[in-house]
Amino acid sequence: AQTVTQSQPEMSVQEAETVTLSCTYDTSENNYYLFWYKQPPSRQMILVIRQEAYKQQNATENRFSVNFQKAAKSFSLKISDSQLGDTAMYFCAREGGGSNYKLTFGKGTLLTVNP
Amino acid sequence: GAGVSQSPSNKVTEKGKDVELRCDPISGHTALYWYRQRLGQGLEFLIYFQGNSAPDKSGLPSDRFSAERTGESVSTLTIQRTQQEDSAVYLCASSADGGLGYGYTFGSGTRLTVV
Repeated sequence: AQTVTQSQPEMSVQEAETVTLSCTYDTSENNYYLFWYKQPPSRQMILVIRQEAYKQQNATENRFSVNFQKAAKSFSLKISDSQLGDTAMYFCAREGGGSNYKLTFGKGTLLTVNP
Repeated sequence: GAGVSQSPSNKVTEKGKDVELRCDPISGHTALYWYRQRLGQGLEFLIYFQGNSAPDKSGLPSDRFSAERTGESVSTLTIQRTQQEDSAVYLCASSADGGLGYGYTFGSGTRLTVV
């Protein structure tokens, strides 16, 4: 089975500090896509950032950036200048290339930002 | 519509009853997905629609679960003879196409509680 693994069930960080969430995945595809989604208590899944596997440059969206290591099949999320509103579950997900359209999710990391 | 709409937001049902969960995807999105999220868990794939057809039903956990999509828009997930283990949040998502790295837009989910 092609899996996505998030090894940190819970993490906490002080407001304004930086935190990194880990994700590793398995795939036999050469081209695929990786995502981080945020799920606050409202249950709404929100797309945070997206990475195309054939692009070597790490994606960045404002305070959010990724460290994509294709050979190691690693895709970590860095949140800079953490804010209270960043408190949420964070899910890493992989969408396979070609006909593999499904998003496969990790089990999530609960991030708490403390004042 | 502007987003993915799911109804009802919450549903409490007695064990053994049938329930229908509805999803209105973003207009023009051809791909539609249903996921199940048990308490404290990641997202579990149930079924994928491309247009009105369902090329992948592999995640449906039993024959008590079925889904349909009409007019390339609304989808209904039906659970017959509900059991307590069916209690979960059922999330619907849509995308402009499957497998092309657009990511999904999710609804807010239906929280199903079987008592």
